[in-house]
Amino acid sequence: EAGVVQSPRYKIIEKKQPVAFWCNPISGHNTLYWYRQNLGQGPELLIRYENEEAVDDSQLPKDRFSAERLKGVDSTLKIQPAELGDSAVYLCASVPGGGYEQYFGPGTRLTVT
Amino acid sequence: GIQVEQSPPDLILQEGANSTLRCNFSDSVNNLQWFHQNPWGQLINLFYIPSGTKQNGRLSATTVATERYSLLYISSSQTTDSGVYFCAVGGGADGLTFGKGTHLIIQP
Repeated sequence: EAGVVQSPRYKIIEKKQPVAFWCNPISGHNTLYWYRQNLGQGPELLIRYENEEAVDDSQLPKDRFSAERLKGVDSTLKIQPAELGDSAVYLCASVPGGGYEQYFGPGTRLTVT
Repeated sequence: GIQVEQSPPDLILQEGANSTLRCNFSDSVNNLQWFHQNPWGQLINLFYIPSGTKQNGRLSATTVATERYSLLYISSSQTTDSGVYFCAVGGGADGLTFGKGTHLIIQP
């Protein structure tokens, strides 16, 4: 069974530029999460989806971050415009229906210069 | 929100040694997971253990939910065990709250 797929794996952009990250969860997993991991810290939740509905986006900085999960499968996280402090690893995770154990993708390492 | 504390923050051991990592949390949870983050940044699931004891090879874990702590045991350490070990807790399908991790270095 394929795991959670994320792309790109690495991204370097200049500040004020837009950037987007893509996540394909494990097949059949209805719940999808985006986390941000700063250097030396544990991941922190940004947003949680149940199918195509964002059920918890309280930690998403809505002035510059947006996310979507069309058709309840793939998801995209966007930052516009990026700031230096957005440099981090962005992780996607998914959970099967009826379960709680989260499975993480390899992450996208973003560097904003 | 819930607080998660992991100890020790850093641990350096010789190959073959045993170790115990601890995770304390501040509220009742029904999701607790242990992860190993390898040098490439991948979070690898070790245990889903909101309560009880589980074993997988050289690794085992115990969660005492009533006392709000969990322990991860690593026996006969190997250099490939190096990395950061995270404990993460949550309520059901809620997002996980992670501790700051234990950075483990196994020296040959």
